[in-house]
Amino acid sequence: DAGITQSPRHKVTETGTPVTLRCHQTENHRYMYWYRQDPGHGLRLIHYSYGVKDTDKGEVSDGYSVSRSKTEDFLLTLESATSSQTSVYFCASRDRGHQPQHFGDGTRLSIL
Amino acid sequence: AQTVTQSQPEMSVQEAETVTLSCTYDTSENNYYLFWYKQPPSRQMILVIRQEAYKQQNATENRFSVNFQKAAKSFSLKISDSQLGDTAMYFCLFQGGSEKLVFGKGTKLTVNP
Repeated sequence: DAGITQSPRHKVTETGTPVTLRCHQTENHRYMYWYRQDPGHGLRLIHYSYGVKDTDKGEVSDGYSVSRSKTEDFLLTLESATSSQTSVYFCASRDRGHQPQHFGDGTRLSIL
Repeated sequence: AQTVTQSQPEMSVQEAETVTLSCTYDTSENNYYLFWYKQPPSRQMILVIRQEAYKQQNATENRFSVNFQKAAKSFSLKISDSQLGDTAMYFCLFQGGSEKLVFGKGTKLTVNP
């Protein structure tokens, strides 16, 4: 399996606080993704990156920002967390040429 | 916009039997990729099988195979000789151009002993 680690694995925080989730991959994959998973919705794409400093919005990007300063790291930031952003967040990466995505183990984020 | 529909929220099957999970999608693209992912209670997302739209031959991976009908925009997953470890959520994923990535809402499969 591709080496993808997410940190933290669990986080509880309060409404209005900033939150940053980190995704680290050791496979030198070009593409990286952030999803959120909610009951009844499957996984929905928040943002993705197709290279260092190259990012774009996904289906549910409002309230989220991302940064990719190195190939191996992709950060997801909630500038001012809201209760509607309580979810399980997954990071994924893949190589070029329509290779399948490999996923991290997820981060459970609770915003009270 | 692309949509992916998994019409069976839950299914169950007896151990050693065969089960088929359905997935339909809507797209105007001609070149795309389809995947099935498995998510057991551990929450990991595990790739089960992939299909390239330009290939007519259905993909197979051991006990897992697909029935890909491009004209009907259908991509079903067949699991043969079901095992207890197959109990999981199964998600269908459409991947089109420009990173159009759309998951279905999932089918919860339970394999009964």
